[in-house]
Amino acid sequence: GENVEQHPSTLSVQEGDSAVIKCTYSDSASNYFPWYKQELGKRPQLIIDIRSNVGEKKDQRIAVTLNKTAKHFSLHITETQPEDSAVYFCAASGPYSSASKIIFGSGTRLSIRP
Amino acid sequence: DGGITQSPKYLFRKEGQNVTLSCEQNLNHDAMYWYRQDPGQGLRLIYYSQIVNDFQKGDIAEGYSVSREKKESFPLTVTSAQKNPTAFYLCASSKREGNEQFFGPGTRLTVL
Repeated sequence: GENVEQHPSTLSVQEGDSAVIKCTYSDSASNYFPWYKQELGKRPQLIIDIRSNVGEKKDQRIAVTLNKTAKHFSLHITETQPEDSAVYFCAASGPYSSASKIIFGSGTRLSIRP
Repeated sequence: DGGITQSPKYLFRKEGQNVTLSCEQNLNHDAMYWYRQDPGQGLRLIYYSQIVNDFQKGDIAEGYSVSREKKESFPLTVTSAQKNPTAFYLCASSKREGNEQFFGPGTRLTVL
């Protein structure tokens, strides 16, 4: 069945350094790849997303890259700050015709060391 | 906060009782979803609905039931058949044409 694998499960970086989280997906029909940030006890919130017709997308300190051939996509956070500490989830979704349910990765707990 | 609400925020249930979690959205979204999140875990899909009066099972539907009588509402019932229901339950919605999901604030269910 459809599957999204996410690595690492935990990540600790020094404030100001970069953080990279990687995901792979199994369904080649997937065409939408969102990233969600969830702070402790709160709801997940979309931070950036990318569609399959684009290889890279940036929004200030956050970027996402997509390699459709390898079925990999990654989240890059530069110049990390304490408020970046949270759990990050990647996800993959197919076209609406395939019910558009999103498959989530298992999450990465990012800690920023002062 | 995105026009999707869940109630109650905290819910306590005795073993053997059914409970219903509310989810309402005013975003005019066609699709709605229920997820379960256990401590330190990811999101697991319970049920989803793409349109009124229609819904499909997700990965962990056993012991749960839903209804979708109105576009705005997608209540989840946790039945006594769910053996380990203590978890954080998240409802989400999305546009029919798009894929971005907007999440509600969640309901934390505890079985006593």
